[in-house]
Amino acid sequence: DIQMTQSPSSLSASVGDRVTITCRASQSISSYLNWYQQKPGKAPKLLIYAASSLQSGVPSRFSGSGSGTDFTLTISSLQPEDFATYYCQQSYSTLGYTFGQGTKLEIK
Amino acid sequence: EVQLVESGGGLVQPGGSLRLSCAASGFTFSSYEMNWVRQAPGKGLEWVSYISSSGSTIYYADSVKGRFTISRDNAKNSLYLQMNSLRAEDTAVYYCARAAYCGGDCSFFQHWGQGTLVTVSS
Repeated sequence: DIQMTQSPSSLSASVGDRVTITCRASQSISSYLNWYQQKPGKAPKLLIYAASSLQSGVPSRFSGSGSGTDFTLTISSLQPEDFATYYCQQSYSTLGYTFGQGTKLEIK
Repeated sequence: EVQLVESGGGLVQPGGSLRLSCAASGFTFSSYEMNWVRQAPGKGLEWVSYISSSGSTIYYADSVKGRFTISRDNAKNSLYLQMNSLRAEDTAVYYCARAAYCGGDCSFFQHWGQGTLVTVSS
């Protein structure tokens, strides 16, 4: 099974900050990496697919990069509505669409 | 508008069974692969099961293999998850999610339901 490890597990930041979240795969997954945002009591929302493609309707302050085993999600200038938990997910192996453990982004 | 509405959750005793349903609308259900994803209280997301558009290909997470069965009825635009031999660790919100593709192994969960809570407790 492919394991996905996110860092950090939690992060405190201020409105306007630039934030980067990292996701590492236990083996190469090419660019088959997605990012989701989840707010309390809500279903996850797709932000980025295929490592760097922005889902329609998602603000351009969100961006993704990486390939192989190392990936990043960057929020260029945090807005109040961005405080949430973020998950990466690999789609390389259909035997299990593994998620990372999540990164909780909190207000400093 | 794509809509996915889960139902069937509730309280069940350990060892019991429950059948979840996901009613789909706003798209051609028979053309899309579907998944179940769960989230234990206060925990992260865990992929549970996948079914192809025709139902001919199915995968399960190791944690539910042999106990859960995914199925679909394309005539009724519905996805199901039959859960047997339930354990306390199966307690979670269960989401159905519609997959979308961007070529090769590139896929992602574009649409999600609101979830249904399953509680396994005596």
